[in-house]
Amino acid sequence: QSALTQPASVSGSPGQSIAISCTGTSSDVGGYNYVSWFQQHPGKAPKLLIFNVNNRPSEVSNRFSGSKSGNTASLTISGLQAEDEADYYCTSYTGGETMVFGGGTKLTVL
Amino acid sequence: QVQLVQSGSALKDPGASVTVSCKTSGYTFTKYPINWVRQAPGQGLEWMGNINTNTGNPTYAQGFTGRFVFSLDTSVRTTYLQITSLKAEDTAVYYCARAVAGTRGFGDFWGQGTLVTVSS
Repeated sequence: QSALTQPASVSGSPGQSIAISCTGTSSDVGGYNYVSWFQQHPGKAPKLLIFNVNNRPSEVSNRFSGSKSGNTASLTISGLQAEDEADYYCTSYTGGETMVFGGGTKLTVL
Repeated sequence: QVQLVQSGSALKDPGASVTVSCKTSGYTFTKYPINWVRQAPGQGLEWMGNINTNTGNPTYAQGFTGRFVFSLDTSVRTTYLQITSLKAEDTAVYYCARAVAGTRGFGDFWGQGTLVTVSS
């Protein structure tokens, strides 16, 4: 199972909105509505931001939103803040009880 | 409150074995599968597989078959990751993460991570 494709890096200024893409195939992202997004700060465990494409845990800011079109999922962060600078990973169900991660995207807040 | 607490860091020789534990509390253990995730130094996250905490049935990702074994002890609400015949490339932080209820997703709660270093 190949990793999902994410841009290596994205950047934005405080207050702006950015989107991170996550491209897979019809066997993973396109085939199921089980895409999740995680945020990871250096030296910390990942934090769940989005599950089931566009569902947000109650404790996660509504500045984070998810969507999907075909084989590509996206995470949008609005109103960028300095604390959003982190690595972001998508993951998708691939059938047969298996999952796959994207390669990760480093977000820099300028 | 839900907690996943992992065992401490380990330094092992090549060829040795290591067991990482993930002790859970604050929820019904058998209702949520536990996933294992590897992160090599400076690298991304890799899904290793999961274990059904109700049946004990494990599922392994490609690349994590043979030397990697998931197990559990329901009596102490703990799951285990054993890695045998350790290689230098197994050096990584290993995380356990709980499945999210009612979905194929996981990761609403994570362990703190366990650093396994393989070096002579």
